[in-house]
Amino acid sequence: AAGVIQSPRHLIKEKRETATLKCYPIPRHDTVYWYQQGPGQDPQFLISFYEKMQSDKGSIPDRFSAQQFSDYHSELNMSSLELGDSALYFCASSPGQGRETQYFGPGTRLLVL
Amino acid sequence: AQKITQTQPGMFVQEKEAVTLDCTYDTSDQSYGLFWYKQPSSGEMIFLIYQGSYDEQNATEGRYSLNFQKARKSANLVISASQLGDSAMYFCAMREAYSSASKIIFGSGTRLSIRP
Repeated sequence: AAGVIQSPRHLIKEKRETATLKCYPIPRHDTVYWYQQGPGQDPQFLISFYEKMQSDKGSIPDRFSAQQFSDYHSELNMSSLELGDSALYFCASSPGQGRETQYFGPGTRLLVL
Repeated sequence: AQKITQTQPGMFVQEKEAVTLDCTYDTSDQSYGLFWYKQPSSGEMIFLIYQGSYDEQNATEGRYSLNFQKARKSANLVISASQLGDSAMYFCAMREAYSSASKIIFGSGTRLSIRP
């Protein structure tokens, strides 16, 4: 069965650079979520989209923005990167309006030097 | 505020034994969903099992079962006949009340190690 696809899988950036993470949800899933997992921590919710509209917002820094496109894929844009942004970034998708299980992608491991 | 508590930072279990991972939650919502995810050392987050707050039967998925005790607000994961491949971090998680694109909140996790 098709899973959530995230690209790139690994990313190394310098401080103050920008990064764009991409997420392709499971086919027919119209809801996308972004989570950030710091080293040794549990995942923290950043933002979600349903039918291309922002639905919920968590602890996402103002330096980050995201959107969901007409084909339901989503991109997380991160600017002015800081050392503390080094983390594993997960995208998850679900069908419908959040009543269903969220299936996670493999994650993008971001390292900021 | 909603909260998930996992009180076992780490556990060691002998292969083929059953293991119970504890999870308690706190919520004032009547409608919620409870999840268990497995995170191996490779990093991916693998969905294991789901229990809805109105489900009367305990959820089961193969070797995984969820011991749901609503009055006690606990949702323990039971893994029967553990295997070496079960060694991983396990997260209990809760989805807030049904709403558009409800986020999931996670517990701090339990690192399970299976001994051969």
